[in-house]
Amino acid sequence: KAGVTQTPRYLIKTRGQQVTLSCSPISGHRSVSWYQQTPGQGLQFLFEYFSETQRNKGNFPGRFSGRQFSNSRSEMNVSTLELGDSALYLCASRPTGGNYNEQFFGPGTRLTVL
Amino acid sequence: AQSVTQPDIHITVSEGASLELRCNYSYGATPYLFWYVQSPGQGLQLLLKYFSGDTLVQGIKGFEAEFKRSQSSFNLRKPSVHWSDAAEYFCAVAPREYGNKLVFGAGTILRVKS
Repeated sequence: KAGVTQTPRYLIKTRGQQVTLSCSPISGHRSVSWYQQTPGQGLQFLFEYFSETQRNKGNFPGRFSGRQFSNSRSEMNVSTLELGDSALYLCASRPTGGNYNEQFFGPGTRLTVL
Repeated sequence: AQSVTQPDIHITVSEGASLELRCNYSYGATPYLFWYVQSPGQGLQLLLKYFSGDTLVQGIKGFEAEFKRSQSSFNLRKPSVHWSDAAEYFCAVAPREYGNKLVFGAGTILRVKS
């Protein structure tokens, strides 16, 4: 099976712009979570989608949003970019069922805001 | 609030030496516990996880971890380190009532000297 794929891998934007990142989960996985990784704040949970519905959300401003499509692919959007949004954005997918299932991470999208 | 502490930011060990990376967590009940590894430019790979049962868990690449409830710790060990183990290691917890929202420690960067 192919792993979690994220596109693009690298992105450069300027302050005030908006950006959309894409994540394709492992085939059959219906849950997709997003994390932000920065040197200062570390790895932080953004949100999780399951069956096109947001199930949980981290402590991020409303500029960060996401969605999931019927094929489980997910996008996250950041509007009005700030310098502090520069980060590695990681997507993770997991199968469903049982008490807990391992999350499989993609390689990430490196966003640089100038 | 849940928190994860990895007290060592950097650790340097000689190839062939043993390794122990420390992790302490703060949470009301025993959460799910994980260790992930991240190589430069890569996503996160799960090394091992603890849900319940035997407190010594075996993972991939020769790693093991021991859960100690009395100390709220989940330390990662390897008896003999290889140069390819150089990477950043993250301890993470997830609440049992909602296992998807991982809370990560700040990470420990492992350097291996030959």
